[in-house]
Amino acid sequence: QVQLVESGGGVVQPGRSLRLSCAASGFTFSRHGMHWVRQAPGKGLEWVAVVWFNGNNKYYADSVKGRFTISRDNSNNTVDLQMNSLRAEDTAVYYCARDIGITMMHSDYWGQGTQVTVSS
Amino acid sequence: EIVLTQSPDFQSVTPKEKVTITCRASQSIGTTLHWYQQKPGQSPRLLIKFASQSFSGVPSRFSGSGSGTDFTLTINSLEAEDAATYYCHQTDTLPWTFGQGTKLEIK
Repeated sequence: QVQLVESGGGVVQPGRSLRLSCAASGFTFSRHGMHWVRQAPGKGLEWVAVVWFNGNNKYYADSVKGRFTISRDNSNNTVDLQMNSLRAEDTAVYYCARDIGITMMHSDYWGQGTQVTVSS
Repeated sequence: EIVLTQSPDFQSVTPKEKVTITCRASQSIGTTLHWYQQKPGQSPRLLIKFASQSFSGVPSRFSGSGSGTDFTLTINSLEAEDAATYYCHQTDTLPWTFGQGTKLEIK
C-alpha cells in the first residue's frame, strides 16, 4: 500500500534553515507528482509546493517562494523540502502528499506529517 | 488566488442524520474541486475527487455534487466515526487553495 513517511522536523530559530524529507513506498514513485502541504497549529490546510514526476517543473505558494525549494530523487523514492530564512509563521505540521498523476492534478495519499516549530 | 468559502464552519449533528456541507469558489473552477476528511491527530483523507467521484474505499454514504462555483458534500446517515473536519480543495488554478474547514461534532 502507499506509504509516505516524513522526517526532518524540529525546533529552529527564525532565519535558520531546515530540510524535510519524505520517503515513499508502495507505488511507482517516478510516475507521480509530489506535494508538500502544511497546517499551522489549530488552522486549516495550506498548499506549499509541487514537483512533477521528473523533477523538471516546480511550483510554490507565494508565501514560500524564494525561500523554500522542493526536490526529488527518483532513484531513492524521496522528495525533500529545503526551507531557508524560516519565519515564525512557517510553524506548522508539514505533510508530504502524492499526486494522482505525473504532473499536478490533485493529491490522494498523505503522510502523517512532521512538526516544524520556528521560535527563538 | 481562488478563495473557497465553506458553510457552516461548525455543525453538531446526531447519528443517522443527513449532513450537507457547501463550498463556494470565488470564481468558476469547473469540477476541479475535491473533498478531504481530517480526524484529530490524523492527516487528511481524500473522500471525493473532481466534485462527484468517490475515491477508492470511501463509504457510499459520502457523495459530492456541483460545478462552476457551488459545490456540496453530503453525508447520508451519519455515523459516529464521521466526527471530523472536512475541507474542500481546488486544483484549477495555482496557488491551489483549501476552504477554511467545517467541523462536524456528533451529539
